[in-house]
Amino acid sequence: AQSVTQPDIHITVSEGASLELRCNYSYGATPYLFWYVQSPGQGLQLLLKYFSGDTLVQGIKGFEAEFKRSQSSFNLRKPSVHWSDAAEYFCAVGATLSYNTDKLIFGTGTRLQVFP
Amino acid sequence: DAGVTQSPTHLIKTRGQHVTLRCSPISGHKSVSWYQQVLGQGPQFIFQYYEKEERGRGNFPDRFSARQFPNYSSELNVNALLLGDSALYLCASSLWGNTEAFFGQGTRLTVV
Repeated sequence: AQSVTQPDIHITVSEGASLELRCNYSYGATPYLFWYVQSPGQGLQLLLKYFSGDTLVQGIKGFEAEFKRSQSSFNLRKPSVHWSDAAEYFCAVGATLSYNTDKLIFGTGTRLQVFP
Repeated sequence: DAGVTQSPTHLIKTRGQHVTLRCSPISGHKSVSWYQQVLGQGPQFIFQYYEKEERGRGNFPDRFSARQFPNYSSELNVNALLLGDSALYLCASSLWGNTEAFFGQGTRLTVV
């Protein structure tokens, strides 16, 4: 079955520290992978996506993610966290519904807390 | 340019009632999807519409229905509301059915 696992429910880091959020997926074909961020009570904003090609993907707000097929992982990283990065982060995989139609399967999310 | 807009932003309903949530996609986008996000969980897929046809349905009861109009806007309807239907309902639009999805701010539904 197609699924996404985010092993860390809650992560706390100090401002300026580096960050890595883990994501593992289960999907039979070549996956389309996404990271979204959600502030409290808000919708989802796309940080970055992987469709094909270079396995290191750059996104907005200084985030990057690396696709590792051998590990079925797509971990999100940021070298220096800012207080404004505190939010909920969701990893997702695009799963085919029908021809030219996909849905997103989300993980349960990782809540990031940033201390000054 | 306007993003995905959803209305209303908040809604309180009583058990057994019916609710209609609305979504306007980004101009030019032909696909709309609906997701339910229960507190503390990731969003769960409910429906996808592309060119006014239902292209996919998630594991939700028949109380949930949706449609897409000629202008590509969409409605999500939920009948016979249960307490467990309380959630943030997210609408996403995309250019085609399998391209990048852009999410609205959501409708917070509370069933009492």
